Amino acid sequence: AQRVTQPEKLLSVFKGAPVELKCNYSYSGSPELFWYVQYSRQRLQLLLRHISRESIKGFTADLNKGETSFHLKKPFAQEEDSAMYYCALPPSGTYKYIFGTGTRLKVLA
Amino acid sequence: GAVVSQHPSRVICKSGTSVKIECRSLDFQATTMFWYRQFPKQSLMLMATSNEGSKATYEQGVEKDKFLINHASLTLSTLTVTSAHPEDSSFYICSAYQRGGGNEQFFGPGTRLTVL
Repeated sequence: AQRVTQPEKLLSVFKGAPVELKCNYSYSGSPELFWYVQYSRQRLQLLLRHISRESIKGFTADLNKGETSFHLKKPFAQEEDSAMYYCALPPSGTYKYIFGTGTRLKVLA
Repeated sequence: GAVVSQHPSRVICKSGTSVKIECRSLDFQATTMFWYRQFPKQSLMLMATSNEGSKATYEQGVEKDKFLINHASLTLSTLTVTSAHPEDSSFYICSAYQRGGGNEQFFGPGTRLTVL
């Protein structure tokens, strides 16, 4: 079965510390993975997609097929990074998403 | 980027009444839209896929007669919660898929439904 797992509900780090938000997936074939972010009282917005291999707001994510992971990383957390982060995977042949349960990141001053 | 709006942003209704929520793609055509439900501090649960000009596809466990979806144009999908009850109170979010934009979905701001 296709599945996205985000094992941490809450992650608290101090400002300036490195951040890693975990995402593991179960998928047969070549997955396409996304990270979405939801800031307080705002809509979900795309943060990263693995195809583009870009860095947004200092965040990067590498698809590791061997470990079936797509962890989100940032070397130095900022207070404005505090938000809810969702990992998402569209099942093959569809446009819909399977979302992970989300991780709330709190960056402490 | 592409913009999706939802109306209303907040609605309070009495138990037994029906409530309609609109989802619009403002600057692009969306042949496919999605409706999600989000409980407090929880993830998004996909309810249904709304396809322009055809019937919606509902996820397992979602009552299609309870949550009526209509996608009459390329820029508008509506979700009607029929005979709403307090347990239907939730945050409803729509998203739209833009053809040619990869698999990215663009999300609306959500609608907070409270059923008294």
